[in-house]
Amino acid sequence: DGGITQSPKYLFRKEGQNVTLSCEQNLNHDAMYWYRQDPGQGLRLIYYSQIVNDFQKGDIAEGYSVSREKKESFPLTVTSAQKNPTAFYLCASSTSPSGRMGEQYFGPGTRLTVT
Amino acid sequence: DAKTTQPNSMESNEEEPVHLPCNHSTISGTDYIHWYRQLPSQGPEYVIHGLTSNVNNRMASLAIAEDRKSSTLILHRATLRDAAVYYCILYNFNKFYFGSGTKLNVKP
Repeated sequence: DGGITQSPKYLFRKEGQNVTLSCEQNLNHDAMYWYRQDPGQGLRLIYYSQIVNDFQKGDIAEGYSVSREKKESFPLTVTSAQKNPTAFYLCASSTSPSGRMGEQYFGPGTRLTVT
Repeated sequence: DAKTTQPNSMESNEEEPVHLPCNHSTISGTDYIHWYRQLPSQGPEYVIHGLTSNVNNRMASLAIAEDRKSSTLILHRATLRDAAVYYCILYNFNKFYFGSGTKLNVKP
């Protein structure tokens, strides 16, 4: 089955610790995205990558870092510099911008709680 | 950045049509209009998208105003499984702009 997997589904960390969220896709998509969602709110873009070894900051990149060493993987690290990291994190992928006008496929999400 | 405006919530009866409005008055000529929906604690699901012309697919229809400053997602016969938050989004080849969405409640 093709799709996007995110692990783990729930993650708990102590304040001050860095944590890495996994995102893997086997859809052969070029573009991948990370979003953050707070309760009752829409999605906000953290980082996106249109191609391997390249990524761009989204609207709320401060306190986060990413890498794109492989086409199928786009891990997100939430650093201790992120002031309010508790949120629901969603990863998505899409074909290149010229394909299907950017329809995105989302993973199931990781709910991160930092105490 | 282009933004969208949607009502916070709407209610519908099961098996009746639902019209979900979206305003995007600052849309640019290269922005595509996308609709996604999200069930609680799940990732959003693609519904439909369009540029200028009205669009139909198996899930819904998208009606786009002639000036493109607004659009309407039409669910022809709402079911209980259609209860979700519906997002109207603008896409311009680099990233999506998500608003807060409309929470649709479907009554049996």
